[in-house]
Amino acid sequence: TQLLEQSPQFLSIQEGENLTVYCNSSSVFSSLQWYRQEPGEGPVLLVTVVTGGEVKKLKRLTFQFGDARKDSSLHITAAQPGDTGLYLCAGRSGSARQLTFGSGTQLTVLP
Amino acid sequence: GAGVSQSPSNKVTEKGKDVELRCDPISGHTALYWYRQSLGQGLEFLIYFQGNSAPDKSGLPSDRFSAERTGGSVSTLTIQRTQQEDSAVYLCASSPGQSYYEQYFGPGTRLTVT
Repeated sequence: TQLLEQSPQFLSIQEGENLTVYCNSSSVFSSLQWYRQEPGEGPVLLVTVVTGGEVKKLKRLTFQFGDARKDSSLHITAAQPGDTGLYLCAGRSGSARQLTFGSGTQLTVLP
Repeated sequence: GAGVSQSPSNKVTEKGKDVELRCDPISGHTALYWYRQSLGQGLEFLIYFQGNSAPDKSGLPSDRFSAERTGGSVSTLTIQRTQQEDSAVYLCASSPGQSYYEQYFGPGTRLTVT
């Protein structure tokens, strides 16, 4: 069974602060995705990374895929209350079509 | 709407009863997935449909769970003889095809077994 461990599980910060969320595994993934989920809604895809060492930026969000494709990080600069939500990483292994999800990081950004 | 829809949005049932959850994928999407999410947790894969191929049922937790997809579109997830541990949010996602990374999720059905 492939597992994705996310840390921290909970994070509460003030508006304007920076933060990093980590997603780690002992398994190699062919691609890794980050989703954000708000209460009562399904997860919404933020980014997909497929190459080891890849870095993608989406406005104030920076995503990195580890060189060995076993880990990833999400960095948010100058967090805003609108960033509040459950952040989920999800990996795809080999030719598998289903995703293996991490347990999530609940982020709260206080105004 | 253009997104994935699921019904009902909430379902409360008594232990031992059967329930059916419905998913309408995005039109034209050939891949459909069911996941289960416990409170505040990540998603657990249940089953995957791709076109007319046999579904991947490797994530179904027991033989009380089954799913079908009619006409390559609408899918129904059935849970027989529900147990309290079945309480969770059941999420459906669709994707344009097996070569696409993106999965588009519906809002989910919150199932509560009393």
